[in-house]
Amino acid sequence: DAGVIQSPRHEVTEMGQEVTLRCKPISGHDYLFWYRQTMMRGLELLIYFNNNVPIDDSGMPEDRFSAKMPNASFSTLKIQPSEPRDSAVYFCASSLVQGGEQYFGPGTRLTVT
Amino acid sequence: AQSVTQPDIHITVSEGASLELRCNYSYGATPYLFWYVQSPGQGLQLLLKYFSGDTLVQGIKGFEAEFKRSQSSFNLRKPSVHWSDAAEYFCAVGANRFSGGYNKLIFGAGTRLAVHP
Repeated sequence: DAGVIQSPRHEVTEMGQEVTLRCKPISGHDYLFWYRQTMMRGLELLIYFNNNVPIDDSGMPEDRFSAKMPNASFSTLKIQPSEPRDSAVYFCASSLVQGGEQYFGPGTRLTVT
Repeated sequence: AQSVTQPDIHITVSEGASLELRCNYSYGATPYLFWYVQSPGQGLQLLLKYFSGDTLVQGIKGFEAEFKRSQSSFNLRKPSVHWSDAAEYFCAVGANRFSGGYNKLIFGAGTRLAVHP
């Protein structure tokens, strides 16, 4: 298996622009997680899905952030409009079952100038 | 509140030396505990996990960790460190537990390990 795939690996954008991060989970995994990693706050869970349905979005920082999972093999995390404080590494992870091992993608490094 | 503390931000050891990375957790019940490793520019890889049973758990790459309930700790150890072990290590607790699992991970701040030749 190719593992969790994230694109792009690096994104540089200007403040106010829309940013879309993409994730393809491991085939057959029913759970998908979006995390954000920053120096100040470490690794934080933003949202997770089960069978394409958002289950817990309490970690989403504000309304500028939205996440979707239109099918079992694709998810997006969108920031609109982006701000410099959104600069971070965003990880996607998937797991086969609830409570199972989470497999992480390589991350997307976002820089908002 | 559920939390994970990794007291050491940076640790430097010589190649071949033993290693212990500390992790303390705050959780109201028996926790599910994990150690992940992150190499530069990479995602996180699971080293080992504790759910129940034997409190000494073995993981990949020669790592082991011991769950000590009395100390609320889950320290990671390796008897002889290799240069390739240089990375960042994260301890995590599985939170919002229910029968048979958990539904979110809470991570510590991480410990960055440097290995001198």
